[in-house]
Amino acid sequence: GESVGLHLPTLSVQEGDNSIINCAYSNSASDYFIWYKQESGKGPQFIIDIRSNMDKRQGQRVTVLLNKTVKHLSLQIAATQPGDSAVYFCAERSDSSYKLIFGSGTRLLVRP
Amino acid sequence: DTGVSQDPRHKITKRGQNVTFRCDPISEHNRLYWYRQTLGQGPEFLTYFQNEAQLEKSRLLSDRFSAERPKGSFSTLEIQRTEQGDSAMYLCASSHPGGEQFFGPGTRLTVL
Repeated sequence: GESVGLHLPTLSVQEGDNSIINCAYSNSASDYFIWYKQESGKGPQFIIDIRSNMDKRQGQRVTVLLNKTVKHLSLQIAATQPGDSAVYFCAERSDSSYKLIFGSGTRLLVRP
Repeated sequence: DTGVSQDPRHKITKRGQNVTFRCDPISEHNRLYWYRQTLGQGPEFLTYFQNEAQLEKSRLLSDRFSAERPKGSFSTLEIQRTEQGDSAMYLCASSHPGGEQFFGPGTRLTVL
């Protein structure tokens, strides 16, 4: 398959460790934030979302943290698995516009 | 498969030719979006539809680009007089109003 991103920042973690992927977003008026996972040759896949009135949301093995003061979003993946290897993008949007604005991605590599 | 589908998956064309891509959204979704993604970047919004109405267009969508969703179901994206700079992955997504956007696998366009 083709590479999603050739020059992306890369996070390399050992299988079983926790991963933290960070994102700085651009618009302080954004109401909604999403993390997507993109594997080579595929479209982005929804992982977890959070609204601007929250600062933390947990899913299965994933947690998203939102710090509106510094416009920072993070994705925590517990017990990282080889299948988690992909490029991860954060995205934001406001309720007045349904277009998503994507941040720059991070490539996650999981070492066996 | 009940996800978003796109056709073709790959398109190679010569500069100056016209190309058309098709997107079939998830059947009960009335919102449909087009994005463009170049290597190493996150997807960039192009346009979106609610039913058959095109409600928002990015300035990235030059006069050579046109999108339609005539019956509020599938959508087409046409690029006229293609240029090498049009080479990218063209992604389609669909959603319920205010819901998460589900992406298709994309159409990879290469303009020679």
